[in-house]
Amino acid sequence: DVVMTQSPLSLPVTLGQPASISCRSSQSLVYSDGNTYLTWFQQRPGQSPRRLIYKVSNRDSGVPDRFSGSGSGTDFTLKISRVEAEDVGVYYCMQGTHWPPTFGQGTKVEIK
Amino acid sequence: QVQLVQSGAEVKKPGASVKVSCKASGYTFTNYGISWVRQAPGQGLEWMGWISAYNGNTNYAQKLQGRVTMTTDTSTSTAYMELRSLRSDDTAVYYCARDEPFGYFYYMDVWGKGTTVTVSS
Repeated sequence: DVVMTQSPLSLPVTLGQPASISCRSSQSLVYSDGNTYLTWFQQRPGQSPRRLIYKVSNRDSGVPDRFSGSGSGTDFTLKISRVEAEDVGVYYCMQGTHWPPTFGQGTKVEIK
Repeated sequence: QVQLVQSGAEVKKPGASVKVSCKASGYTFTNYGISWVRQAPGQGLEWMGWISAYNGNTNYAQKLQGRVTMTTDTSTSTAYMELRSLRSDDTAVYYCARDEPFGYFYYMDVWGKGTTVTVSS
């Protein structure tokens, strides 16, 4: 199985400051169709996961533009340009290129 | 709007079975698949398997093979996940998520609110 490794696992951030989460995969996530199925989810406390970013850098409808995704191959990043109180929660990366789909361990974002 | 509505919480004894439902609305059910993901208390996300609402094909996580069955009822746009021989470490919140219809790749774009399954004697 493809191992997804996130860092850091805990991220205290000051309101209004940027935040960055790294996600590395144990093998390339480029699919045979040329797309890279790397997805980011947000899970707020007590809620179900919500997809934020798909195919590395595409924001889902309704996702604020302070969220951005980047990367290629095996190295990916989720950035929040200015953290707001509603961004508190756990963020997961997931690879959907190789069977079975696998998730990172999660990064807990909290306000300092 | 696209919604996945899951059945209510369950409490089961070890060795029993549980069947969780996931009713889809707001989109053409047979144009997608459904992945099932679970989350043990305080833990991360674990993919359990996938079913195509288009043709009924399934893929199950290796560790659950033989204990899990996923089905769909296209007449009611509902997906089901049955887990048998329950153990205490099956205690988790079980989520359904809309996914790719053919299982070539996975993207889980819309999620249900989750169903809590507690396994306790």
